Amino acid sequence: AQRVTQPEKLLSVFKGAPVELKCNYSYSGSPELFWYVQYSRQRLQLLLRHISRESIKGFTADLNKGETSFHLKKPFAQEEDSAMYYCALSVITGANNLFFGTGTRLTVIP
Amino acid sequence: KAGVTQTPRYLIKTRGQQVTLSCSPISGHRSVSWYQQTPGQGLQFLFEYFSETQRNKGNFPGRFSGRQFSNSRSEMNVSTLELGDSALYLCASSLELAGLEQYFGPGTRLTVT
Repeated sequence: AQRVTQPEKLLSVFKGAPVELKCNYSYSGSPELFWYVQYSRQRLQLLLRHISRESIKGFTADLNKGETSFHLKKPFAQEEDSAMYYCALSVITGANNLFFGTGTRLTVIP
Repeated sequence: KAGVTQTPRYLIKTRGQQVTLSCSPISGHRSVSWYQQTPGQGLQFLFEYFSETQRNKGNFPGRFSGRQFSNSRSEMNVSTLELGDSALYLCASSLELAGLEQYFGPGTRLTVT
């Protein structure tokens, strides 16, 4: 069965410090991994996905199949990064069904 | 382009009643997925519709059902409401069946008393 684990419910870092939000998954097939973000009073929105291998708002995430991880990283946190972050897994069965982790609330302290 | 819209935004129902929630996807999007978000269980996939057909279903009881119309608008219905059905129900739309990027609506907050 598919499962996404985000071990930290809360994470606080100082502005300018590096940030890493952890995500581990379990799935026997080839996963598609995503990070979704929800800023205060805004909708859940896609931040990045592993297949595009891009950096969005300074964030990157590398899929490590050996460690079954997809950690989100940013070298220098900004106050506007404060938000709820969800890691999600898509099973490629021809359907849009995302399996979400429980989320990590990131607070960037000025 | 208008985003995903959901109506109503807030709803209060009594245990045992039924409820219908509506979702209008982004124009041109043919896939609509529904999710339930609760503090205890987080975000859980309910079901997905594409071209008026349910393509995939999550692990929810039969009291939860849905449908999609020819204009891609979707509704979900919950019958015989239970207190545990209180949640934020999110709808997401996507261009294709497996479009991978989903655009979420603001959600409908359902409270069951």
